Amino acid sequence: DTGVSQNPRHKITKRGQNVTFRCDPISEHNRLYWYRQTLGQGPEFLTYFQNEAQLEKSRLLSDRFSAERPKGSFSTLEIQRTEQGDSAMYLCASSLEGFVQGQDEQYFGPGTRLTVT
Amino acid sequence: TQLLEQSPQFLSIQEGENLTVYCNSSSVFSSLQWYRQEPGEGPVLLVTVVTGGEVKKLKRLTFQFGDARKDSSLHITAAQPGDTGLYLCAGARGGSNYKLTFGKGTLLTVNP
Repeated sequence: DTGVSQNPRHKITKRGQNVTFRCDPISEHNRLYWYRQTLGQGPEFLTYFQNEAQLEKSRLLSDRFSAERPKGSFSTLEIQRTEQGDSAMYLCASSLEGFVQGQDEQYFGPGTRLTVT
Repeated sequence: TQLLEQSPQFLSIQEGENLTVYCNSSSVFSSLQWYRQEPGEGPVLLVTVVTGGEVKKLKRLTFQFGDARKDSSLHITAAQPGDTGLYLCAGARGGSNYKLTFGKGTLLTVNP
């Protein structure tokens, strides 16, 4: 079990540029989540996939953000026309759909730290 | 409005002391998870509690889920410097059971 991996670990970009992050979940996990964490805050939910289907997007996910999980395995999160307010830690988590609703255990990757200058 | 309130926000203690941190909400959760996060890293899952009144122990850590499934506590016995980190609680609610709502965390520092 290699855990959830995320690449890159750090990204510095200039305002207005596009960035893309990758998440590789734990291999047998069918659910994948993206969260964003800013300094002094807990992670905030952005979006969720069950297999390849994106089932929910938070209002935090503006139209500049897009996420995909094309084959139900890895996922990408793209931010277009980055703004300074996008600077944050972007976390990916995965889980195996539980027998009982609400009892999935989510395992997080190390995150991608984005800095927009 | 923060759905999950964690207290205290900061805690600095000496090695060997005991401590309790709290996670409170006015909402009912179908499950609650505790994570520990170190700077620059993702949260690491410590425990999941699902039954009201449930108590789980993980070595020197004791987790309790409130009877009404609205609150939880984490007690650490004989804290060690390696316990230093940000402790986050996160709840999954019945209607949207797949996403977690996090508190802001308790930043614990254990001094040698």
